[in-house]
Amino acid sequence: AQKVTQAQTEISVVEKEDVTLDCVYETRDTTYYLFWYKQPPSGELVFLIRRNSFDEQNEISGRYSWNFQKSTSSFNFTITASQVVDSAVYFCALSVRNAGNMLTFGGGTRLMVKP
Amino acid sequence: SAVISQKPSRDICQRGTSLTIQCQVDSQVTMMFWYRQQPGQSLTLIATANQGSEATYESGFVIDKFPISRPNLTFSTLTVSNMSPEDSSIYLCSVVQSILNYEAFFGQGTRLTVV
Repeated sequence: AQKVTQAQTEISVVEKEDVTLDCVYETRDTTYYLFWYKQPPSGELVFLIRRNSFDEQNEISGRYSWNFQKSTSSFNFTITASQVVDSAVYFCALSVRNAGNMLTFGGGTRLMVKP
Repeated sequence: SAVISQKPSRDICQRGTSLTIQCQVDSQVTMMFWYRQQPGQSLTLIATANQGSEATYESGFVIDKFPISRPNLTFSTLTVSNMSPEDSSIYLCSVVQSILNYEAFFGQGTRLTVV
């Protein structure tokens, strides 16, 4: 069975601070995908990134960066110079090819960025 | 990425009634899923919608309560039957266009309130 843990249920920062959202996953499969989604107050899920298990290269997209470490089964997400518009719930998710390709979600981290 | 249209976006329903939620995609997709997000919670998979055959339900979800149809590769419906206040949730349709380039996208969600 798959499991995703986001230990931080809520984080509050002041605008322009950097913030890292933690994600730890569990799976016995060697082929899997990791995702991050953003859910603003409006409720829709916005796709941010997908990373496959064979690609440990870290990725940067503007103020967003992701650190994938198989050795610690972690896929952490950092927002640099946070902005009020970053306030949302962020979900980390795992998909395993041999388990139907559906997503297993972490509990989510609510990020509040104060001006 | 696929454009997903989910209807209705929200509804308030009387207990004991049923609501059918539609998910329309602008292109053929390999896989379609239905998720539920209870208030303040993470997302839980209800079922995988299989084209031309019965959906595959996750533990805790049954066809009589959540009948699903998927008549073709671009459309699916989820019905929430005999509703009770405990069914008040956001219901989200998710699609995967290709298992080769596995990216899972979500519809805008249906915010259901049962009174």
